[in-house]
Amino acid sequence: EADIYQTPRYLVIGTGKKITLECSQTMGHDKMYWYQQDPGMELHLIHYSYGVNSTEKGDLSSESTVSRIRTEHFPLTLESARPSHTSQYLCASSEYNPGKLFFGSGTQLSVL
Amino acid sequence: QKEVEQNSGPLSVPEGAIASLNCTYSDRGSQSFFWYRQYSGKSPELIMSIYSNGDKEDGRFTAQLNKASQYVSLLIRDSQPSDSATYLCAVNPGGSNYKLTFGKGTLLTVNP
Repeated sequence: EADIYQTPRYLVIGTGKKITLECSQTMGHDKMYWYQQDPGMELHLIHYSYGVNSTEKGDLSSESTVSRIRTEHFPLTLESARPSHTSQYLCASSEYNPGKLFFGSGTQLSVL
Repeated sequence: QKEVEQNSGPLSVPEGAIASLNCTYSDRGSQSFFWYRQYSGKSPELIMSIYSNGDKEDGRFTAQLNKASQYVSLLIRDSQPSDSATYLCAVNPGGSNYKLTFGKGTLLTVNP
């Protein structure tokens, strides 16, 4: 079944640690996105990708980085986690219409 | 600053009533408009899209768009307790192919 997967679902980590949030999709979509969402707030786009080897920063400044070496895989990395990075991170993909997003289950990150 | 504004609610309606959710946007060049539903603790899922002025109906859902007034709404007829969720309005601003701007969402509660 075509889907989009995020791991881990929850992550609690100490300040200064390097972390990678995984996102994979089996939908064959070229476009993939990372959004950040805090409770009661808008989704903010932090990274997006048109396809393999193509990545762009979104509207929200982020200290994270992404890579797109394979169509189905779009991991997000924080080199040194800080408490200000505590948030929910949502990965999404879309086919032709960028408004029709399919979201993964999200990763709730807590940095202590 | 391209913005999407929604009343945060909560909007409370009795079961069987019509729920009306509203959204305004600031960018006159916006081309396409989307409504996402987000259950508590879950990821957003697309429920409606609309691209031209007027009404678009899908089952119990009707999206309404008025570009002159920069206004988009979602009507839910015969509201059910299972409709209780946060409804996110998203707009594809003119000139931007891959980036949606989301509102903060309106929390809808349908009371049995």
